[in-house]
Amino acid sequence: QKEVEQNSGPLSVPEGAIASLNCTYSDRVSQSFFWYRQYSGKSPELIMSIYSNGDKEDGRFTAQLNKASQYISLLIRDSQPSDSATYLCAVKMGGSNYKLTFGKGTLLTVNP
Amino acid sequence: GAGVSQSPSNKVTEKGKDVELRCDPISGHTALYWYRQSLGQGLEFLIYFQGNSAPDKSGLPSDRFSAERTGGSVSTLTIQRTQQEDSAVYLCAITGTPTSTDTQYFGPGTRLTVL
Repeated sequence: QKEVEQNSGPLSVPEGAIASLNCTYSDRVSQSFFWYRQYSGKSPELIMSIYSNGDKEDGRFTAQLNKASQYISLLIRDSQPSDSATYLCAVKMGGSNYKLTFGKGTLLTVNP
Repeated sequence: GAGVSQSPSNKVTEKGKDVELRCDPISGHTALYWYRQSLGQGLEFLIYFQGNSAPDKSGLPSDRFSAERTGGSVSTLTIQRTQQEDSAVYLCAITGTPTSTDTQYFGPGTRLTVL
């Protein structure tokens, strides 16, 4: 069964710290990877997509992909209380060009 | 967000009743998805529509669930004879907007409560 696993947390960090969120996936041939943020009571919104091994940076966010280890991470630098949300990892599993498989999400709390 | 509206925003119904949930996407999108999110759970894929192709219904949990997409635009998810375990937030998402072909943009969702 194709799966996406995330540590459920909750993860708590102080304001200004680096938050590190991790995700593993089971299908080795997967090619497209996404991080979504979901505030309580709201719908998910895309933060970053990543397709190649290595790092991809966008402002305070850095996505990291290691296909050999089947591992994705999201780093949030200078964490702010407004970053407090659930972060969902999503993978377009191999063999599908449209279906995303989501992890259950990691709840992040940034304490002022 | 990104041109997807859903109605109603909240729906409370009694066990055994039928419900219809509506998704109204921006014009010009290429694909439409329905997901279900139960409390504390991730997003569960339900169904996918792409153009005139047959929909991928592989995620529908039972034959009480059905969906249609009329005119390549508005979609309706119907749940017949609702059960308490159907209580969840139902999310519609689209891809293929003018700004992105790969990103899924979600609507605000419909919170369904079955009493």
